[in-house]
Amino acid sequence: DTAVSQTPKYLVTQMGNDKSIKCEQNLGHDTMYWYKQDSKKFLKIMFSYNNKELIINETVPNRFSPKSPDKAHLNLHINSLELGDSAVYFCASSQGGGARNEQFFGPGTRLTVL
Amino acid sequence: AQKVTQAQTEISVVEKEDVTLDCVYETRDTTYYLFWYKQPPSGELVFLIRRNSFDEQNEISGRYSWNFQKSTSSFNFTITASQVVDSAVYFCALTGTTSGTYKYIFGTGTRLKVLA
Repeated sequence: DTAVSQTPKYLVTQMGNDKSIKCEQNLGHDTMYWYKQDSKKFLKIMFSYNNKELIINETVPNRFSPKSPDKAHLNLHINSLELGDSAVYFCASSQGGGARNEQFFGPGTRLTVL
Repeated sequence: AQKVTQAQTEISVVEKEDVTLDCVYETRDTTYYLFWYKQPPSGELVFLIRRNSFDEQNEISGRYSWNFQKSTSSFNFTITASQVVDSAVYFCALTGTTSGTYKYIFGTGTRLKVLA
């Protein structure tokens, strides 16, 4: 069974569209994250939720809105997509949001905006 | 500010060679954690190791070993007798405990190519 899963794996869309990426973890963790990896492989955190509460919100355009319906799910909705949003988006989870906890990553969603 | 530097952008070695990936970090925290992750061509990120700031013992796991030196703020990763399957991008990351919220600060990664 996949520990952290994301759907879809690939997403190709036109500029201006709205799209969502879903993430689910079956590890029983209480903290989930969204990361963006750009074309140069640079990984940067976007958001983090602990027990459905937003605890990290980096300087991300407000076109990006995370939603956590429960501890096992963290979805990412993106409005008015732009070319610069093209990247690989990774979901991750950990037990606790503390500094010591390793994070388990999903397979990534490659978003291409045309 | 916290920062992780992986100065080696890309390294190529021939199979069976040993290779060391460098990681230098900056932090004002007294308690912090360092991590290494592997990202193979398939794209997923795989956890390799965690080390806390109070444990400077070197760690060995099979062909992998890690050297943590607080005096030089480094947490280097060595692969002994490299294999083609070791080809991947390797990321070093740092978290701290004084910032209130804990987040990974990733280095820019080192792409390792192991040639047959």
